[in-house]
Amino acid sequence: SFELTQPPSVSVSPGQTASITCSGDYLGNKYVSWFQCKPGQSPVLVIYQDTKRPSEIPERFSGSNSGNTATLTIGGTQTLDEADYYCQVWDSSTHVVFGGGTKLTVL
Amino acid sequence: EVQLMESGGGLVKPGGSLRLSCVASGFTFSQFTMYWVRQVPGRGLEWVSSVDRSTTVYYADSLQGRFTISRDNAKSSVFLQLSSLRVEDTAIYYCARGGSTLIRRPDLDWIESWGQGTLVTVSS
Repeated sequence: SFELTQPPSVSVSPGQTASITCSGDYLGNKYVSWFQCKPGQSPVLVIYQDTKRPSEIPERFSGSNSGNTATLTIGGTQTLDEADYYCQVWDSSTHVVFGGGTKLTVL
Repeated sequence: EVQLMESGGGLVKPGGSLRLSCVASGFTFSQFTMYWVRQVPGRGLEWVSSVDRSTTVYYADSLQGRFTISRDNAKSSVFLQLSSLRVEDTAIYYCARGGSTLIRRPDLDWIESWGQGTLVTVSS
């Protein structure tokens, strides 16, 4: 079965750039989505098809995917960006796969 | 505006059954893949099942055939029948809509919109 690996936590200072990675075999051959999850709220799509951003998502969110690693980058991180972030792909054998999630702390 | 409204959650005993419903509005329901994703409070997201616009269905292997997804395009609704429920099925169950209208290309789809979720609690 296909698996995605994320670091459990990432810390960043306000105004700095946060990078959250997602690793999987030949991940660059698949489209990656990223979701933001805050307590008591439904998940929100922030990046899809590796680099595309929904219109309502701020420009400071960007994505990349190459080789075995996809990266979600948040430039000029704000305190309201503190959340759990999940990567996700489609795999032909496992179908929809989520990473384990990364807790982003802004302090 | 895309709206997804889940219902049907509640408290059920181990071994019991439950039927979750999700009513959609604000888009042409028949054109999109619909997903069910669950989350144990405080834990990660777990995909459960999905049904595409050609009614091809997909399930997580971990379910071991206990859940059944279906859709009714006339009612803009997607359903998830939960059977032989276990304590570990306790979670918030989210209904979600895909982003692509391409037929039989799940690799090009993404999960675009989410409902508010319905809580399923399995406990004796």
